[in-house]
Amino acid sequence: ETGVTQSPTHLIKTRGQQVTLRCSSQSGHNTVSWYQQALGQGPQFIFQYYREEENGRGNFPPRFSGLQFPNYSSELNVNALELDDSALYLCASSLAIGAGELFFGEGSRLTVL
Amino acid sequence: QKEVEQNSGPLSVPEGAIASLNCTYSDRGSQSFFWYRQYSGKSPELIMFIYSNGDKEDGRFTAQLNKASQYVSLLIRDSQPSDSATYLCAVTTGKLIFGQGTTLQVKP
Repeated sequence: ETGVTQSPTHLIKTRGQQVTLRCSSQSGHNTVSWYQQALGQGPQFIFQYYREEENGRGNFPPRFSGLQFPNYSSELNVNALELDDSALYLCASSLAIGAGELFFGEGSRLTVL
Repeated sequence: QKEVEQNSGPLSVPEGAIASLNCTYSDRGSQSFFWYRQYSGKSPELIMFIYSNGDKEDGRFTAQLNKASQYVSLLIRDSQPSDSATYLCAVTTGKLIFGQGTTLQVKP
């Protein structure tokens, strides 16, 4: 059974640039959630995808967008990067929408200079 | 008011002691409650969940829920240095919302 994988693991961008982060969900999981975790903080919910549709969004601006593909993998896109976007971005898969049992990938560490 | 609140700590306990971690939540409609553990530099992993008022025990861990007080806690008995981590309380409201986490330090 393959776990949740994310890429890239680390990346550095400059203000104003765009970034795409990728996630492959655990086998059999059809729901993917994305979280932003700043240093010393808990994960903040960005959005959740189920069957290629966004299903629930946290308090993040529209420049944060996502996609889910037919194989349940997912992308997180962030446009017009700001310094405060520097964080660990976590992808988690689950068996159902709103499920509390999430399986996390190791995250993508984004630094915005 | 934050949806899920935890004391960030650090909470320091000696090896073998009981560690008590607390969490409050604001949405009375919340149905399910979870505790995740996050080691430094790693991603969160689920350790306990509880749905009903009362206590739920799993090995050295006990989760406690009081919906009337909107309060969830996690007790760790016989704390070990390997328990040193950040403990995240999380609540489902159609999505899983996390608190900021409490850092636990278990000293040998």
